[in-house]
Amino acid sequence: QSALTQPASVSGSPGQSITISCTGTSSDVGIYNYVSWYQQHPGRAPKLIIYEVSRRPSGISDRFSASKSGNTASLTVSGLQAEDEADYYCTSFTTMTTLIIGGGTKLTVL
Amino acid sequence: QVELVQSGEEVKKAGAAVKVSCKASGYGFRNYGITWVRQAPGQGLEWMGWNSAYNGNIKVAEKFQGRLSLTTDTSTSTAYMELRSLRSDDTAIYYCARVLGIVDLDYWGQGTLITVSS
Repeated sequence: QSALTQPASVSGSPGQSITISCTGTSSDVGIYNYVSWYQQHPGRAPKLIIYEVSRRPSGISDRFSASKSGNTASLTVSGLQAEDEADYYCTSFTTMTTLIIGGGTKLTVL
Repeated sequence: QVELVQSGEEVKKAGAAVKVSCKASGYGFRNYGITWVRQAPGQGLEWMGWNSAYNGNIKVAEKFQGRLSLTTDTSTSTAYMELRSLRSDDTAIYYCARVLGIVDLDYWGQGTLITVSS
């Protein structure tokens, strides 16, 4: 598998909630709780917003939450704000001791 | 504060090699791994490989095996990524990132644009 599967785009209005899915296999997302999520604004380096499936690093808004069920992980952004408009990537550790990254999802705040 | 500072933009001819540096500061360099991720123009992120502090191993993604070398110099807290036999589709921004724990990339370099011309 070359990449985790994410929707190409999602959108929502300010104040609403959106969820981004990230589907892998039993060799990555399904077997390890080492799923992370990154936010990337244009022209900037990615930023870690979720690690170990659902943990938030210090300083990350609690409007970002995440979970996993089977081979699919999910990121939810609640109370959408204009600043949330960015690309989001999921990653997972694999049984080959490599890192696999999702194709990325563009979040548009309408 | 933790900082990763990468070397500057480069333009290379197809077939050449490029070596990007990533100088770390603000933390114990030996205690964390470094990973390399690239991003072609308008495209997503692509994992290239890592030096793992977890088990000391260097792991390179299958598609880069044979032309990618990842090294570190602990005396200068610097990690290096060398990619050989460059092709036009290697044109991308190359990022280094610190590996927290097993896989979490908590600090990133500013990125280095490598342009490969034919």
